[in-house]
Amino acid sequence: QSALTQPASVSGSPGQSITISCSGTNRDVGSSNFVSWYQQHPGKAPKLILYDVYNRPSGISNRFSGSKSGNTASLTISGLQSEDEADYYCCSYSTGSLLMVFGGGTKLTVL
Amino acid sequence: QVQLVQSGAEVKRPGASVKISCKAPAYTFTTTYYIHWVRQVPGRGLQWMGMINSASGRTTTAQTFQGRVSLTRDKSTSTAFLEVSSLKSDDMGVYYCARTITVSYFYATDIWGQGTTVSVSS
Repeated sequence: QSALTQPASVSGSPGQSITISCSGTNRDVGSSNFVSWYQQHPGKAPKLILYDVYNRPSGISNRFSGSKSGNTASLTISGLQSEDEADYYCCSYSTGSLLMVFGGGTKLTVL
Repeated sequence: QVQLVQSGAEVKRPGASVKISCKAPAYTFTTTYYIHWVRQVPGRGLQWMGMINSASGRTTTAQTFQGRVSLTRDKSTSTAFLEVSSLKSDDMGVYYCARTITVSYFYATDIWGQGTTVSVSS
């Protein structure tokens, strides 16, 4: 069982926007702004797309944005493109027994 | 382009140990980056295992793996290592090393190895 809760799947049509939530507790998501998001295509290593809630690494499209409210972080992808179809994982610093915790992952399908 | 290069796939018997290497650019070990280890068990997403301070060698291991996982690094060869002992079938999966995005910061990783597949079978 993952420490952070994400929806198993979301879907959207090209050009639309989708939001993926990442729910935790006041010991992880709610304890700091050290929340990151990773994109993973099949057979590939995860790729960092957001860190510290809303910061994008160099080269990441501004179609990816992040936010946080209380114990829940969110990833929004606007202007969906076919190449966005992938699994998405949130990750948070935790004050618990795991220093870093991942969400269970969300499969994004672009219809 | 910065890369982390991991060792090849492993097949082990239950109860055995496996040691995976992760070679990074030399400067990674002269400044305070963190090398994280993450595993992906089929159908179960990503699981954080621990991290090592590349300069000092100080480690932090997830409680789930304490006593069974050893993280080390060799500065002379710019390589980090993950060793998992007492392997079980549940340990089958892909193991990744990943480096943090900047020095003196350990919360997010932007450089990942290609992954090492570990199979456990009698």
